[in-house]
Amino acid sequence: GAVVSQHPSRVICKSGTSVKIECRSLDFQATTMFWYRQFPKQSLMLMATSNEGSKATYEQGVEKDKFLINHASLTLSTLTVTSAHPEDSSFYICSAMLPIYEQYFGPGTRLTVT
Amino acid sequence: AQSVTQPDIHITVSEGASLELRCNYSYGATPYLFWYVQSPGQGLQLLLKYFSGDTLVQGIKGFEAEFKRSQSSFNLRKPSVHWSDAAEYFCAVDFNTGTASKLTFGTGTRLQVTL
Repeated sequence: GAVVSQHPSRVICKSGTSVKIECRSLDFQATTMFWYRQFPKQSLMLMATSNEGSKATYEQGVEKDKFLINHASLTLSTLTVTSAHPEDSSFYICSAMLPIYEQYFGPGTRLTVT
Repeated sequence: AQSVTQPDIHITVSEGASLELRCNYSYGATPYLFWYVQSPGQGLQLLLKYFSGDTLVQGIKGFEAEFKRSQSSFNLRKPSVHWSDAAEYFCAVDFNTGTASKLTFGTGTRLQVTL
Protein backbone atom coordinates (compact mmCIF):
# COMPACT_ATOMS: atom_id res chain seq x y z
CA GLY A 1 0.00 0.00 0.00
CA ALA A 2 0.83 3.73 0.05
CA VAL A 3 1.94 4.03 -3.55
CA VAL A 4 2.54 7.40 -5.17
CA SER A 5 3.01 7.80 -8.90
CA GLN A 6 4.31 10.67 -10.99
CA HIS A 7 3.81 11.37 -14.63
CA PRO A 8 5.77 11.87 -16.74
CA SER A 9 8.96 10.31 -15.49
CA ARG A 10 11.00 12.36 -17.94
CA VAL A 11 10.15 15.42 -19.98
CA ILE A 12 12.09 17.65 -22.31
CA CYS A 13 10.65 21.00 -23.20
CA LYS A 14 11.79 24.12 -24.97
CA SER A 15 12.60 27.31 -23.16
CA GLY A 16 9.53 29.48 -22.74
CA THR A 17 7.01 26.67 -22.75
CA SER A 18 5.09 25.23 -19.81
CA VAL A 19 5.07 21.69 -18.54
CA LYS A 20 2.72 19.93 -16.14
CA ILE A 21 3.74 17.16 -13.76
CA GLU A 22 1.13 14.97 -12.11
CA CYS A 23 1.38 13.34 -8.70
CA ARG A 24 -1.15 10.70 -7.74
CA SER A 25 -1.71 8.70 -4.59
CA LEU A 26 -2.89 5.38 -5.98
CA ASP A 27 -4.28 3.56 -2.98
CA PHE A 28 -5.00 6.22 -0.40
CA GLN A 29 -6.39 9.71 -0.12
CA ALA A 30 -4.06 12.54 0.77
CA THR A 31 -5.25 15.92 1.90
CA THR A 32 -1.66 17.09 1.91
CA MET A 33 0.98 16.58 -0.74
CA PHE A 34 4.41 18.10 -1.04
CA TRP A 35 6.60 19.10 -3.96
CA TYR A 36 10.37 18.91 -3.76
CA ARG A 37 13.19 19.75 -6.07
CA GLN A 38 16.43 17.81 -6.12
CA PHE A 39 19.57 19.03 -7.85
CA PRO A 40 22.20 16.52 -8.97
CA LYS A 41 23.95 14.91 -6.05
CA GLN A 42 22.15 17.17 -3.63
CA SER A 43 19.38 16.89 -1.14
CA LEU A 44 15.67 17.45 -1.56
CA MET A 45 14.48 21.00 -1.13
CA LEU A 46 10.84 21.54 -0.24
CA MET A 47 9.16 23.83 -2.74
CA ALA A 48 5.59 23.90 -1.54
CA THR A 49 2.88 22.22 0.47
CA SER A 50 -0.22 21.36 -1.50
CA ASN A 51 -3.51 21.14 0.36
CA GLU A 52 -6.61 19.71 -1.25
CA GLY A 53 -9.16 22.39 -1.98
CA SER A 54 -7.01 25.31 -0.95
CA LYS A 55 -4.05 27.32 -2.12
CA ALA A 56 -0.60 25.85 -1.89
CA THR A 57 1.88 27.17 0.63
CA TYR A 58 5.21 28.02 -0.95
CA GLU A 59 8.59 28.02 0.69
CA GLN A 60 10.62 31.16 0.82
CA GLY A 61 12.31 31.87 -2.48
CA VAL A 62 9.98 29.75 -4.60
CA GLU A 63 8.12 31.75 -7.22
CA LYS A 64 4.40 31.12 -6.97
CA ASP A 65 3.69 32.34 -10.48
CA LYS A 66 6.33 30.12 -11.97
CA PHE A 67 5.51 26.92 -10.14
CA LEU A 68 1.75 26.58 -10.18
CA ILE A 69 0.34 23.92 -7.89
CA ASN A 70 -3.17 22.56 -8.02
CA HIS A 71 -4.55 19.96 -5.61
CA ALA A 72 -8.00 19.46 -7.04
CA SER A 73 -8.76 16.07 -5.54
CA LEU A 74 -7.65 13.88 -2.67
CA THR A 75 -5.54 11.76 -5.00
CA LEU A 76 -4.07 14.25 -7.46
CA SER A 77 -1.77 17.23 -7.25
CA THR A 78 -0.18 18.90 -10.25
CA LEU A 79 2.86 21.10 -10.61
CA THR A 80 3.05 23.31 -13.68
CA VAL A 81 6.36 24.92 -14.50
CA THR A 82 5.43 28.00 -16.50
CA SER A 83 7.69 29.73 -19.01
CA ALA A 84 10.39 27.21 -18.31
CA HIS A 85 14.04 28.16 -18.56
CA PRO A 86 17.15 25.98 -18.55
CA GLU A 87 17.76 26.79 -14.88
CA ASP A 88 14.45 25.07 -14.09
CA SER A 89 15.94 21.79 -15.25
CA SER A 90 15.91 19.52 -12.25
CA PHE A 91 14.45 16.43 -10.65
CA TYR A 92 11.01 17.13 -9.20
CA ILE A 93 9.63 14.81 -6.55
CA CYS A 94 6.23 14.76 -4.92
CA SER A 95 5.08 13.11 -1.75
CA ALA A 96 1.72 12.39 -0.20
CA MET A 97 1.12 12.32 3.51
CA LEU A 98 -0.78 9.69 5.40
CA PRO A 99 -2.64 10.61 8.58
CA ILE A 100 -0.08 8.55 10.49
CA TYR A 101 2.39 11.31 9.81
CA GLU A 102 4.38 9.58 7.15
CA GLN A 103 5.21 10.85 3.69
CA TYR A 104 5.30 8.51 0.73
CA PHE A 105 7.26 9.66 -2.27
CA GLY A 106 6.77 9.39 -5.98
CA PRO A 107 9.58 8.20 -8.25
CA GLY A 108 10.30 11.70 -9.50
CA THR A 109 10.18 13.57 -12.79
CA ARG A 110 13.33 14.59 -14.63
CA LEU A 111 12.72 17.93 -16.36
CA THR A 112 15.13 19.14 -19.00
CA VAL A 113 14.60 22.56 -20.52
CA THR A 114 16.48 23.19 -23.75
CA ALA B 1 18.78 27.75 13.18
CA GLN B 2 17.26 24.36 12.51
CA SER B 3 19.45 22.13 10.39
CA VAL B 4 20.20 18.53 9.50
CA THR B 5 23.72 17.29 8.90
CA GLN B 6 24.92 14.08 7.35
CA PRO B 7 28.69 14.34 7.68
CA ASP B 8 29.55 11.51 5.33
CA ILE B 9 28.94 12.18 1.66
CA HIS B 10 30.15 8.78 0.50
CA ILE B 11 30.77 5.53 2.37
CA THR B 12 32.11 2.26 1.03
CA VAL B 13 31.72 -0.98 2.94
CA SER B 14 32.29 -4.60 2.09
CA GLU B 15 29.34 -6.91 1.81
CA GLY B 16 28.71 -8.53 5.16
CA ALA B 17 30.33 -5.72 7.11
CA SER B 18 28.44 -3.53 9.54
CA LEU B 19 27.25 -0.08 8.64
CA GLU B 20 26.59 3.14 10.49
CA LEU B 21 25.39 6.30 8.79
CA ARG B 22 25.46 9.46 10.83
CA CYS B 23 22.81 12.12 11.18
CA ASN B 24 22.85 15.14 13.46
CA TYR B 25 20.34 17.91 13.83
CA SER B 26 20.25 21.32 15.40
CA TYR B 27 17.07 22.07 17.34
CA GLY B 28 16.04 23.02 20.84
CA ALA B 29 13.50 20.27 21.29
CA THR B 30 13.03 16.70 20.10
CA PRO B 31 11.91 16.59 16.50
CA TYR B 32 10.41 13.75 14.52
CA LEU B 33 13.18 11.82 12.79
CA PHE B 34 13.18 9.71 9.65
CA TRP B 35 15.55 7.76 7.45
CA TYR B 36 14.81 7.30 3.76
CA VAL B 37 16.62 5.36 1.05
CA GLN B 38 16.66 6.45 -2.59
CA SER B 39 17.54 3.99 -5.32
CA PRO B 40 17.90 4.99 -8.98
CA GLY B 41 14.55 5.14 -10.71
CA GLN B 42 12.64 4.64 -7.51
CA GLY B 43 11.03 6.99 -5.06
CA LEU B 44 12.34 7.55 -1.59
CA GLN B 45 11.41 4.68 0.66
CA LEU B 46 10.88 5.12 4.37
CA LEU B 47 13.21 2.89 6.37
CA LEU B 48 12.19 3.90 9.86
CA LYS B 49 11.01 6.78 12.00
CA TYR B 50 11.22 8.07 15.56
CA PHE B 51 8.53 10.12 17.24
CA SER B 52 8.91 9.28 20.92
CA GLY B 53 9.45 6.41 23.33
CA ASP B 54 12.08 3.72 22.90
CA THR B 55 15.15 5.39 21.46
CA LEU B 56 16.18 2.32 19.46
CA VAL B 57 13.85 1.86 16.51
CA GLN B 58 13.69 -1.01 14.11
CA GLY B 59 12.94 -0.53 10.47
CA ILE B 60 12.62 -2.45 7.27
CA LYS B 61 15.38 -4.35 5.48
CA GLY B 62 17.21 -5.04 8.75
CA PHE B 63 17.97 -1.41 9.54
CA GLU B 64 17.79 0.19 12.95
CA ALA B 65 18.48 3.65 14.28
CA GLU B 66 19.17 5.07 17.70
CA PHE B 67 18.06 8.46 18.89
CA LYS B 68 20.52 10.09 21.27
CA ARG B 69 19.11 13.27 22.72
CA SER B 70 22.37 14.35 24.33
CA GLN B 71 24.14 14.19 20.98
CA SER B 72 21.23 15.38 18.83
CA SER B 73 21.86 12.36 16.67
CA PHE B 74 19.86 9.69 14.90
CA ASN B 75 22.35 7.29 13.38
CA LEU B 76 21.31 4.48 11.08
CA ARG B 77 22.85 1.05 11.50
CA LYS B 78 22.82 -2.35 9.90
CA PRO B 79 24.80 -5.29 11.25
CA SER B 80 25.51 -6.93 7.89
CA VAL B 81 25.27 -5.05 4.63
CA HIS B 82 24.04 -6.67 1.42
CA TRP B 83 25.05 -5.59 -2.07
CA SER B 84 21.46 -4.51 -2.68
CA ASP B 85 21.79 -1.89 0.06
CA ALA B 86 23.89 0.30 -2.24
CA ALA B 87 21.87 3.49 -2.60
CA GLU B 88 21.56 7.05 -1.35
CA TYR B 89 20.41 7.44 2.24
CA PHE B 90 18.73 10.55 3.55
CA CYS B 91 18.06 11.58 7.10
CA ALA B 92 14.99 13.80 7.36
CA VAL B 93 13.66 15.83 10.25
CA ASP B 94 10.31 17.35 11.05
CA PHE B 95 11.00 20.22 13.41
CA ASN B 96 7.38 20.36 14.59
CA THR B 97 6.90 23.91 13.47
CA GLY B 98 3.15 23.48 13.51
CA THR B 99 2.71 23.13 9.77
CA ALA B 100 1.89 19.86 8.17
CA SER B 101 4.82 17.55 8.48
CA LYS B 102 7.41 19.64 6.64
CA LEU B 103 10.60 17.66 6.29
CA THR B 104 14.11 19.03 6.18
CA PHE B 105 16.50 16.63 4.53
CA GLY B 106 20.17 16.12 5.09
CA THR B 107 22.49 16.17 2.12
CA GLY B 108 22.51 12.41 1.85
CA THR B 109 25.10 9.66 2.12
CA ARG B 110 25.87 7.52 -0.86
CA LEU B 111 26.57 3.95 0.14
CA GLN B 112 28.72 1.78 -2.04
CA VAL B 113 29.01 -1.93 -1.29
CA THR B 114 31.96 -3.92 -2.50
CA LEU B 115 31.77 -7.65 -3.00
